[in-house]
Order: sequence, then C-alpha cells, then structure tokens
Amino acid sequence: DSGVTQTPKHLITATGQRVTLRCSPRSGDLSVYWYQQSLDQGLQFLIQYYNGEERAKGNILERFSAQQFPDLHSELNLSSLELGDSALYFCASSREGGSDEQYFGPGTRLTVT
Amino acid sequence: DAKTTQPPSMDCAEGRAANLPCNHSTISGNEYVYWYRQIHSQGPQYIIHGLKNNETNEMASLIITEDRKSSTLILPHATLRDTAVYYCIVMNNNAGNMLTFGGGTRLMVKP
Repeated sequence: DSGVTQTPKHLITATGQRVTLRCSPRSGDLSVYWYQQSLDQGLQFLIQYYNGEERAKGNILERFSAQQFPDLHSELNLSSLELGDSALYFCASSREGGSDEQYFGPGTRLTVT
Repeated sequence: DAKTTQPPSMDCAEGRAANLPCNHSTISGNEYVYWYRQIHSQGPQYIIHGLKNNETNEMASLIITEDRKSSTLILPHATLRDTAVYYCIVMNNNAGNMLTFGGGTRLMVKP
C-alpha cells in the first residue's frame, strides 16, 4: 500500500460525458502527478501540481483539466469523452519534487462506451 | 530527458539474481537514474534511484557505470512476485518531475 488513494476504482461511461477522478496523496506529500496508461500509448505523464499550483504539463488534452485543493487532494476532470480515452489513470505523489521518488495509487480504470 | 534503452524481456530462475540492464548514453550530469516496476495493471512501484554512486536498499541494488552511460538493477534473490515490467527512467529534476516511461523490460521469474 503506497498511501495514495484513488476513487473510483472503475468507471464506465458513455461518449460525450464528463467524469471526475479523485486522488488523495500520501500524508505530507505536496506534489501530485497524473498519468494515463492506455494499451497503445503506454504510461504517459499528464500534469503535475505542487502545493496547489500547476508545475508541469505533459501530453494533456484540452478536454482534460486538473486541480489541487488546499487540503492537497487533486481531481482530474475529463470531458467530452471519446472511446480513445478509455485507459487506466494513475495518480502519484511525492514529498516535494526534485529527486523525490513518486508513489503511485492503484489507479482508476475508465471505460468509455 | 535522456532516452533509455532496455531489453524488451528477460527470464530469471526463482532464487537467482536478476540483472536488468539499461543504456542511457546521452545522460547529462544532473540527471538521475530511477527504476520503477509495474506488476500487472497495478500502480507503478518505486524501486531505487541514483546519480553516480551505486545504491542499495531493501529491494534492490543499482550499479551505475563510471561514465554513467549505463546502469544495472539487481534483484539479489528473485521470487515469483518479482515478475513485472521494470522501467529505467532518467530524469532531469530541474525540468519538472515528470517520469517518462519507455517500454521497459518484462521480467518473468520462473520456478
């Protein structure tokens, strides 16, 4: 158990819909990261927040957005969902940043039908 | 970030040491070498990282060559539970902390 929690575990929704994925980092960790893992693209970094502020952005679609709240939990919002958005979405956290290792949650499996 | 090259798959006998190689010939001076693994579809798990010195923890050892162009992750006594995809990642901490995952090495530990 990494100490990072993600909800829900599974999500099935239809194309065009909007969903919100939630992540609670390990106690004391200030940085949160979101990654997407699909069969054809592998594990890809989406976005990082540090203490409430966006710190780095990867290959995140404009239909996707994220935020980190004052209690440090984070949400990833996916809208206008397409079949290709079906994937595992992982959240990770680290103490600060720098060379700190990242601890991953169990993931949310999103299926778009 | 420097690109890494890993063999796509390896086998190891249970109880033997598993030595997983990684080439990162374009690594720069301030880039760290990280190793993570992913068991089936679980979240990736941090194993170890280093800059230039060899490192050891309760899970594994990391050997980095003197020129830093390659490294080897050593699992000293592999068990069936070590069957996973192992990722070698080089990261420049000054450019954000995102991990760039390649294809990794699929390690199969066999009885």
